Amino acid sequence: GENVGLHLPTLSVQEGDNSIINCAYSNSASDYFIWYKQESGKGPQFIIDIRSNMDKRQGQRVTVLLNKTVKHLSLQIAATQPGDSAVYFCAENSSGAGSYQLTFGKGTKLSVIP
Amino acid sequence: NAGVTQTPKFQVLKTGQSMTLQCAQDMNHNSMYWYRQDPGMGLRLIYYSASEGTTDKGEVPNGYNVSRLNKREFSLRLESAAPSQTSVYFCASSGLAGARSEQFFGPGTRLTVL
Repeated sequence: GENVGLHLPTLSVQEGDNSIINCAYSNSASDYFIWYKQESGKGPQFIIDIRSNMDKRQGQRVTVLLNKTVKHLSLQIAATQPGDSAVYFCAENSSGAGSYQLTFGKGTKLSVIP
Repeated sequence: NAGVTQTPKFQVLKTGQSMTLQCAQDMNHNSMYWYRQDPGMGLRLIYYSASEGTTDKGEVPNGYNVSRLNKREFSLRLESAAPSQTSVYFCASSGLAGARSEQFFGPGTRLTVL
């Protein structure tokens, strides 16, 4: 089957710098994408989502960019803080997969250097 | 407001034993989900309940059964545990139906099958 994956399994950034976490997807039918943050020993926590009719969506200190041409998704975190250290997952949904099925990527671990 | 709670937090079983993982939410959500997370992998949907009284299979339902006891509670049962079911199990709930909305996750149950 088609998978959602990540370019980089680990990312280290200096506190205060911006972070960019990338995600590649191969299912051209995917039309909804979502980012989750998972801190060690905890369940995932929603960050932001985006539908395929948008290229960009902003939240508080986070921006998600969607490039449908190359099937690429990125999460940008501004002014990265120690509390941002976690594993970040992208996930996708397509109407063909069923309305309740989210396909998750393997995750990128973000480490913030104080 | 506790959100999504799961019991137990940790469990060790022997092959062939049975057990039930409990999940409850106090957010009056209609939809509830069970996922498993294996090392180095994203979450995979086991079963979901779109609303009270309904349950449906997800991506990896084999070896599991579920019960939506009422609107608050959604349990996952392993009838005859196998080592391949060693994983971290997460329960989630959402107020809106379907994968295209924020899901709230519990803290997880770490299960080891020997």
